[in-house]
Amino acid sequence: EVQLVESGGGVVRPGGSLRLSCAASGFNFDVYGMNWVRQAPGKGLEWISGITWNGVTTDYADSVKGRFTVSRDNAKNSLYLHMNSLRAEDTAFYHCASQYGAGSYDYWGQGTLVTVSS
Amino acid sequence: EIVLTQSPGTLSLSPGARATLSCRASQSVSSTYLAWYQQKPGQAPRLLIYGAFNRVTGIPDRFSGSGSGTDFTLTISRLEPEDFAVYYCQQYGSSPRSSFGQGTKLEIK
Repeated sequence: EVQLVESGGGVVRPGGSLRLSCAASGFNFDVYGMNWVRQAPGKGLEWISGITWNGVTTDYADSVKGRFTVSRDNAKNSLYLHMNSLRAEDTAFYHCASQYGAGSYDYWGQGTLVTVSS
Repeated sequence: EIVLTQSPGTLSLSPGARATLSCRASQSVSSTYLAWYQQKPGQAPRLLIYGAFNRVTGIPDRFSGSGSGTDFTLTISRLEPEDFAVYYCQQYGSSPRSSFGQGTKLEIK
């Protein structure tokens, strides 16, 4: 069974940092691109970052560029999102999602909630 | 950046009715790289359609996708109670960059 399980969310003050993790199982993680998609409470989906299967290429939405860093460890079947200089508008559920080649996002995690508040 | 605009924002229909959801792109999108997702409250999005018109295995054939260029459509031929949810279109490709539409909420009339 395919599983993507996010962790690391919580409450953080503005300007703070957090590292999210996504643990993958049930599929060949090391041949899939991976992405982070967030959803503010009651709002729509926002793609924020992606990384190719080998970690060579990454990209970010303008809203997080320069503050967030995506990485992966294929030996541990894990994806990470390092978030710095957090702002109130970063408050959201953060989902990881897998992408085979240039395909759509076939597997999604349930998400982890990040709340940025003083 | 490709901006996707979905319409209508909310669609109120009765079970058994036909639903037509629109997704318009700010620039041409290859049909290969257009997907539709369904999301129910408290759940992760679920992939329905990829490559504009390809149904994922297990998705009922009342769901169909069409379109090309800048205009794409998701059609649900006869609404079942479990179809009432929020639907998102997405453009993606060989690079990690992607974007989603703002969503269409399909609600029971």
